[in-house]
Amino acid sequence: SQQGEEDPQALSIQEGENATMNCSYKTSINNLQWYRQNSGRGLVHLILIRSNEREKHSGRLRVTLDTSKKSSSLLITASRAADTASYFCATNTGNQFYFGTGTSLTVIP
Amino acid sequence: EAQVTQNPRYLITVTGKKLTVTCSQNMNHEYMSWYRQDPGLGLRQIYYSMNVEVTDKGDVPEGYKVSRKEKRNFPLILESPSPNQTSLYFCASTGGGAREQYFGPGTRLTVT
Repeated sequence: SQQGEEDPQALSIQEGENATMNCSYKTSINNLQWYRQNSGRGLVHLILIRSNEREKHSGRLRVTLDTSKKSSSLLITASRAADTASYFCATNTGNQFYFGTGTSLTVIP
Repeated sequence: EAQVTQNPRYLITVTGKKLTVTCSQNMNHEYMSWYRQDPGLGLRQIYYSMNVEVTDKGDVPEGYKVSRKEKRNFPLILESPSPNQTSLYFCASTGGGAREQYFGPGTRLTVT
């Protein structure tokens, strides 16, 4: 399987703190995306980083990509209770998508 | 409103009874895909379609069929469902080079 993995599997932080989650993948990629999922609902796209980019920002989100290590990280700054969700990385290789196993983030008010 | 719709949202069925889960998108996207989500395994791609009449297997295609007769629709067919196909299923679509996917709300299938 070419499925990626997120680390940690679960993360619990206080509101206002930063949350960092990591993603490792196995093959060369076109791009890497991060998605958010609230409790069994459909996934929502957060941010995309291309294979030739190293860092990207969107609002309170910061994504880094290290293709030499086949890894990416998602940083959520100044977390809010509403950020409580599961976060997945997804790699796009050729015409297929491979999702990681997800990080469950709980932000305590 | 741009969206991906799936029906039904919940389905309980018995082993061997053929079923179809419909998926429709209104964004004129060429690429559509089906995933299943199981605890601890994340999302796994079942089938995808690059365009009308073009479909390809994903990581876990066994026991599933798809068709793409129209650009907006991409139904998932289980000819003879088995209990190991109990899962949460998502349809998704994407257009353009960025490959940002839009997901449907999910279909929770239970096969007894």
